[in-house]
Amino acid sequence: KAGVTQTPRYLIKTRGQQVTLSCSPISGHRSVSWYQQTPGQGLQFLFEYFSETQRNKGNFPGRFSGRQFSNSRSEMNVSTLELGDSALYLCASSSTPDRNTEAFFGQGTRLTVV
Amino acid sequence: AQSVTQLGSHVSVSEGALVLLRCNYSSSVPPYLFWYVQYPNQGLQLLLKYTSAATLVKGINGFEAEFKKSETSFHLTKPSAHMSDAAEYFCAVSRNTGGFKTIFGAGTRLFVKA
Repeated sequence: KAGVTQTPRYLIKTRGQQVTLSCSPISGHRSVSWYQQTPGQGLQFLFEYFSETQRNKGNFPGRFSGRQFSNSRSEMNVSTLELGDSALYLCASSSTPDRNTEAFFGQGTRLTVV
Repeated sequence: AQSVTQLGSHVSVSEGALVLLRCNYSSSVPPYLFWYVQYPNQGLQLLLKYTSAATLVKGINGFEAEFKKSETSFHLTKPSAHMSDAAEYFCAVSRNTGGFKTIFGAGTRLFVKA
């Protein structure tokens, strides 16, 4: 069974540009969450989707957005990139959105903003 | 609000020695608690989870954790450290506030000396 796939693995963008990151969950998983990981802030929750609906959102500016498609694949978009957006972006999928369900993480997309 | 606090951003042990990584939680409701491990340039992998079935939880790679309600703790232990245990470890608590959301601690980096 294939794991969570995130593309691309590495990305370099310039300030002011926008970027789209992709996440393909484990087959059959309908819940997808996104996290930003930085050395200073650790793992910060971005948002969570289940059956194409955003059910929860973290404390990030409106420049960060996401969506989920009918096949459960998810994308997140960051517009007007800032240097501080440089981070490892992790996607996790779960079979259900229940509290006790294990989240399976992808390897992440390393975004560098210059 | 539910949260976790990991004591010690870095822990160093000798190979063969006891590993103890500390985690305290804050929760107004019975918590669901997790320990994840992250190897360099990788996503997170679940080590173990507590879902109120048993206070002593055994996980993968010889790790275990004990839930102590009176101390609001969920410390991770391993009797004998191996070089391959060197990684970053995250304690996490799961929330359900109209949507699934996992809150991670700041992480503890484990160093294992030969």
